[in-house]
Amino acid sequence: AQSVSQHNHHVILSEAASLELGCNYSYGGTVNLFWYVQYPGQHLQLLLKYFSGDPLVKGIKGFEAEFIKSKFSFNLRKPSVQWSDTAEYFCAVNGVRGSTLGRLYFGRGTQLTVWP
Amino acid sequence: EAGVAQSPRYKIIEKRQSVAFWCNPISGHATLYWYQQILGQGPKLLIQFQNNGVVDDSQLPKDRFSAERLKGVDSTLKIQPAKLEDSAVYLCASSPPGLVADTQYFGPGTRLTVL
Repeated sequence: AQSVSQHNHHVILSEAASLELGCNYSYGGTVNLFWYVQYPGQHLQLLLKYFSGDPLVKGIKGFEAEFIKSKFSFNLRKPSVQWSDTAEYFCAVNGVRGSTLGRLYFGRGTQLTVWP
Repeated sequence: EAGVAQSPRYKIIEKRQSVAFWCNPISGHATLYWYQQILGQGPKLLIQFQNNGVVDDSQLPKDRFSAERLKGVDSTLKIQPAKLEDSAVYLCASSPPGLVADTQYFGPGTRLTVL
């Protein structure tokens, strides 16, 4: 079965600090990769996704992520965080073939707290 | 465009009682998903529908959980009887027709507390 590991459970930063959240997955086949975000009191929403092509993908609000196939990683980055980035971030992966087609596997999430 | 609707938002029941959750996906979305999110964990897929047919229910505890999507639009998820470990947020999501592995759009969830 596929699994997704998020290394940091809680990250605390000051505004303007740089952010990198780690995500590794275990699946040898072709995958689609996602980062979802849940702001306080809101529902899960898509931050960015990778299906194919350029392994560096850009999402909303200045976020980006890099897919490194050899490392099975899809780390999320932002050069300068804002207080409004305080939220829980989930990495997710789904398979594009076979029994895992369409099924999203989520990591356990990373709570980001940004102090003003 | 209206998002995924879910009701109720909160539910408190005692163990061994039954409960039902409702979801209305984004209009035109053929695929509907139910997830369970236990506190401190990421969402876990319970069941996936394509129109009104079940695509994947391998992780649904079928002895107590059931779900239906009779007309291929809205869906209900039922738990009968509930156990303490069913306390969680139940999320509904939908995705547009076309790519099966495309972006999923989530509703606000129903927070279930089983006492």
